[in-house]
Amino acid sequence: KQEVTQIPAALSVPEGENLVLNCSFTDSAIYNLQWFRQDPGKGLTSLLLIQSSQREQTSGRLNASLDKSSGRSTLYIAASQPGDSATYLCAVLNNDMRFGAGTRLTVKP
Amino acid sequence: NAGVTQTPKFQVLKTGQSMTLQCAQDMNHEYMSWYRQDPGMGLRLIHYSVGAGITDQGEVPNGYNVSRSTTEDFPLRLLSAAPSQTSVYFCASSYFIAGGLFEQYFGPGTRLTVT
Repeated sequence: KQEVTQIPAALSVPEGENLVLNCSFTDSAIYNLQWFRQDPGKGLTSLLLIQSSQREQTSGRLNASLDKSSGRSTLYIAASQPGDSATYLCAVLNNDMRFGAGTRLTVKP
Repeated sequence: NAGVTQTPKFQVLKTGQSMTLQCAQDMNHEYMSWYRQDPGMGLRLIHYSVGAGITDQGEVPNGYNVSRSTTEDFPLRLLSAAPSQTSVYFCASSYFIAGGLFEQYFGPGTRLTVT
């Protein structure tokens, strides 16, 4: 059974810092990995999708990497802003989609 | 496109009542799914469908039924609500590409409380 873990569970940083969120998974036979953002009381917004054949994807200040062999993905956020404050979820697709519990990020002005 | 829509946004039920959560998408996606989100546990898959007329169970299917009579709609039925079903429910849709699903698009969620 695929298990997805996200560390840390919560993170608080001052504005302007670069930061890394971690996601690990136990079964490396995945089709893709997706990073989402969730604001309080809202749905999920897709940030980046990495196919199993890819090693990274970039969108603006966000960069996600994937290392299937070690069962790890990282989401790098450059020059963090208060508007980045949200919960970040990773999800991996095997036969179905499994989610981590998320990292709650707070960026302080 | 409206994307993925869910109704209602909020619902309070008494134990034993039944209800249907509605989900619709206008992107012609083959794949649709229902998740529940509980504090500290991430999202867990309840049921999914790979096309009209085809449904299957996910990780936590007990107490829920689904049907997929059209490509657009994927309702989730609670047969006899229990307090353990208090949660936020998300519907999602996607389409298939070689090697798996493309990225999933999520609805805004339904917050359900069972007393």
